[in-house]
Amino acid sequence: GAVVSQHPSWVICKSGTSVKIECRSLDFQATTMFWYRQFPKQSLMLMATSNEGSKATYEQGVEKDKFLINHASLTLSTLTVTSAHPEDSSFYICSFKEGRSDEQFFGPGTRLTVL
Amino acid sequence: LAKTTQPISMDSYEGQEVNITCSHNNIATNDYITWYQQFPSQGPRFIIQGYKTKVTNEVASLFIPADRKSSTLSLPRVSLSDTAVYYCLVGGRGYGGSQGNLIFGKGTKLSVKP
Repeated sequence: GAVVSQHPSWVICKSGTSVKIECRSLDFQATTMFWYRQFPKQSLMLMATSNEGSKATYEQGVEKDKFLINHASLTLSTLTVTSAHPEDSSFYICSFKEGRSDEQFFGPGTRLTVL
Repeated sequence: LAKTTQPISMDSYEGQEVNITCSHNNIATNDYITWYQQFPSQGPRFIIQGYKTKVTNEVASLFIPADRKSSTLSLPRVSLSDTAVYYCLVGGRGYGGSQGNLIFGKGTKLSVKP
């Protein structure tokens, strides 16, 4: 299956700093990508959806000014958590939807811990 | 998007067949049913997808009755490494292109014991 990578796999930062998470599709071009957040022992919650070249659509309750999404190309998307606080500590997972087959492939996730 | 209902948890022993049933009473005509597996601190991994009747691949089978209001994921001869959370999702794929997003329910936590 298609490969999606995320970097970093884990990050620890101080409260008030900003953290950027990269998501790359390694062997296919993605028309649509998604960012999810998963708190311990809970399911994945969709944060936002974006298509290459256009602004992201955020789910209700997700602050677009706090979680900046840049879908820079068909193979790269970034999520920046601005002015992170301890309540932003979570597991962030990206996924790409492949253009031809319509299948959705998930990255390995990034564990963010805000102190 | 159609809401799904699954058992919160299931226990099994190595070598047994495990069947996890998911209810999706308001599934739309062009919705597909997809199952994902997730290990702790990893992203979900695609297991199987189907529209109707039965689909089988190298890791699982998916049984979908005629009314499509439920589906059953069947894992043959589970091993300890099959301990994970299994998610049933509907939607996400339509004829001719992408349709909708994958919305995750609570999933079923499968524990396989020796």
